[in-house]
Parts: sequence; structure tokens; C-alpha cells
Amino acid sequence: KNQVEQSPQSLIILEGKNCTLQCNYTVSPFSNLRWYKQDTGRGPVSLTIMTFSENTKSNGRYTATLDADTKQSSLHITASQLSDSASYICVVTGNYGQNFVFGPGTRLSVLP
Amino acid sequence: EAGVAQSPRYKIIEKRQSVAFWCNPISGHATLYWYQQILGQGPKLLIQFQNNGVVDDSQLPKDRFSAERLKGVDSTLKIQPAKLEDSAVYLCASSLTGGFDSPLHFGNGTRLTVT
Repeated sequence: KNQVEQSPQSLIILEGKNCTLQCNYTVSPFSNLRWYKQDTGRGPVSLTIMTFSENTKSNGRYTATLDADTKQSSLHITASQLSDSASYICVVTGNYGQNFVFGPGTRLSVLP
Repeated sequence: EAGVAQSPRYKIIEKRQSVAFWCNPISGHATLYWYQQILGQGPKLLIQFQNNGVVDDSQLPKDRFSAERLKGVDSTLKIQPAKLEDSAVYLCASSLTGGFDSPLHFGNGTRLTVT
């Protein structure tokens, strides 16, 4: 069964600190993996997309990694800001059309 | 470009009442999705349209939920009658082509509370 798991479920950090969110998946065959940021009361917004051949991709203070062999991805946030407080959702796409599999998300709270 | 528009933003109804949500996707986007997001969980696909045809409605509770996308543009999702467990955020998303490399663009959702 195609599944996406994320850890931790929630995380609290102080402003300026770094953190890493994890995503494990069993979706096969694999097409791509996206990390979405969902602010409270808003819809998810795409942060990065990782394809099979990509290991690392950065978007400002966000860096995503992908290990297609172990089927794991991580999202690293550097020098966190209060505005980073949100849910971060990992979404894996299979090769057969629109087969989006959503993870449950990690709720990040950045405190001053 | 204008984003995905949804209305209303909030809705409170009593169980067994009916409710309808509206979505206008990004102009030119062929594929439209309705997702249900229960608090603390990731979105769950209810129905996917390609233009005005249904691609996937396997997880839509068809005894109470219905959706249409007339003319292949905007869409409505209806619940009749509502149950307590329908309390959730209903997200509409669209994508340009419906291909696996075409990103989803989400609206801000409608938060439904059933009392």
C-alpha cells in the first residue's frame, strides 16, 4: 500500500535555531516528492520538488534531501523565523498520472 | 496570476442539514481536485476532475457527497445530509495539465463545522 509517514508529529523550537523534518514513503514506482508549507487557515503551498535523480535542493532557508534507495526525504530549515510556524506536508507522486499520496504533516512552532 | 478561489471561508451547520462549497480554479487549469482535511491530518482526495469529466471519485461518500464541474471551469461540492464526522476543511486545488509533474495549487479552503 502506498503510504507516506512523517516525523516528528509536532516540533517546537526557538527562533534562530535549525530543525529537520523527516518523510518516509513506500510509494512505488516513484515520480517525485514535494514539500508543502501550510500556514494556519490557508491552503498548502509548494516549497520544493525532488525527482528521482536529485539528492539535494535548496529554496532560501529550506533545504530538501532525497534518498531514493531508502525512500526517505528530509526538510532542513536554517535560522528559523516566527513565520516558519506552520504545518509541513510531504507529498509523493507515483508514475501513474495524478497519484498524490499525502503525509499527515509535521506541525512546527517557532517561539521568540 | 489569480489563485484558486473558494467560498465560503467558514460554515457552521447542524447535522442532517445540507451545505455547498464553491471553487474557481486558476484560469486555464484543466484538472480540479476536492480534498477533505481533518484537523491534524493530511488532505484526503474526494474527487478529481479533468476538464468537466470525473477522473477519480473512489473515496467520495456518494450517498451524501456530490460534486460537479459544469463547463469545465468552476466547481461545487455538496453534502446532504451532513454528519458530525464531516467537520473538516474542504480544500480545492487545481493543476495545469493533470500530469504527475504538474504542481497542485490550493485554495485557502472552507472550514465546515457540523454541530
